[in-house]
Amino acid sequence: DAGITQSPRHKVTETGTPVTLRCHQTENHRYMYWYRQDPGHGLRLIHYSYGVKDTDKGEVSDGYSVSRSKTEDFLLTLESATSSQTSVYFCAISIQVSYEQYFGPGTRLTVT
Amino acid sequence: AQSVTQPDIHITVSEGASLELRCNYSYGATPYLFWYVQSPGQGLQLLLKYFSGDTLVQGIKGFEAEFKRSQSSFNLRKPSVHWSDAAEYFCAVGAKGNTGNQFYFGTGTSLTVIP
Repeated sequence: DAGITQSPRHKVTETGTPVTLRCHQTENHRYMYWYRQDPGHGLRLIHYSYGVKDTDKGEVSDGYSVSRSKTEDFLLTLESATSSQTSVYFCAISIQVSYEQYFGPGTRLTVT
Repeated sequence: AQSVTQPDIHITVSEGASLELRCNYSYGATPYLFWYVQSPGQGLQLLLKYFSGDTLVQGIKGFEAEFKRSQSSFNLRKPSVHWSDAAEYFCAVGAKGNTGNQFYFGTGTSLTVIP
């Protein structure tokens, strides 16, 4: 299995509070991704990174920001959490954009 | 626009029966093709991939998939399903295009296995 960890694995937070999710990889892959998964919507890309300090938006980026200060770490921040951001969040990595992605175990976030 | 279609939202099969999950893609050239499996509460695991060469690809857990260029399909098969195969299955496409490289997931097929 690819060396990808996500923290925390579960989190419950209140509406309006900031939340940061962390993805850590030991594979030295250039590309890192954040997805959210919701019933009926499949996987939706939030943001991705193509190198240290290089990031771009995905299809559902509103309300989210990311940072990548080291190759191995990719942070996802919800500036002010809303109930619509209750979801399971997955981090993924790849060597190239068109190559296979490897996924972390996910973070279940509940916003009350 | 490139896309990945999994026509079956949900499939139910009996344990021991054969399985085929469908995947169609829309892309001008031959893309890279992948199948993933997601067990409940888990992340996605890569089952197999096709880059080039032999169009029949073997994967983990006894799965195989066949690339058919004429049908723009990459269907996943297993000759005899086990109860532990119950999961969500995602087809994915990696594409090199004029606007850059991209990666697309299908919406998934949920597999139920009955004893």
